[in-house]
Amino acid sequence: AQSVTQLDSHVSVSEGTPVLLRCNYSSSYSPSLFWYVQHPNKGLQLLLKYTSAATLVKGINGFEAEFKKSETSFHLTKPSAHMSDAAEYFCVVSVGSGGGADGLTFGKGTHLIIQP
Amino acid sequence: DTEVTQTPKHLVMGMTNKKSLKCEQHMGHRAMYWYKQKAKKPPELMFVYSYEKLSINESVPSRFSPECPNSSLLNLHLHALQPEDSALYLCASSQGGFWGNQPQHFGDGTRLSIL
Repeated sequence: AQSVTQLDSHVSVSEGTPVLLRCNYSSSYSPSLFWYVQHPNKGLQLLLKYTSAATLVKGINGFEAEFKKSETSFHLTKPSAHMSDAAEYFCVVSVGSGGGADGLTFGKGTHLIIQP
Repeated sequence: DTEVTQTPKHLVMGMTNKKSLKCEQHMGHRAMYWYKQKAKKPPELMFVYSYEKLSINESVPSRFSPECPNSSLLNLHLHALQPEDSALYLCASSQGGFWGNQPQHFGDGTRLSIL
């Protein structure tokens, strides 16, 4: 079994300051981990993924995340927040079932607010 | 612009109507998914198709009927829905990596309202 815990339901930062969105996971196997972003009235967009290669993963729009197995964490960071970063962010662990199709276990989401 | 196209963007229907949601992708992905998302909640997996065969049905009520006519198309047929079925319905596709290491690409969804 696997689970994902996003430690903050809301995060508020000022424009130009660093962003930290926290995610802890549990998984019986080596996990694949993803961060997705969802802007209002839009679908989910992949920010980055970890699939057992480099532990520091760089994504789009200046985001990156570090996989820490000892802490079972996959926190998302960005050095400088932009107003356009305001959105809902989901941390996701993949439940590989083999055979070519698999589902995802979503965290409950973190709502990122950017103060001007 | 998303690479997964969903139509219609909005749908309002009565509880006795029959309607269909459509999803299309041309990325050559062989796995396609339907999700239901309520406001301020994460998406909930409904169905997974792999190589055009239904692979996962997450105990979805029979008033939702999925169909995968070919590898690029996914439909969700709706009949006799309830007000609690009002939600954003998201379609996604992926290359369907064996151990789940392939990301899913999502459409912008269909906003469904049941009167």
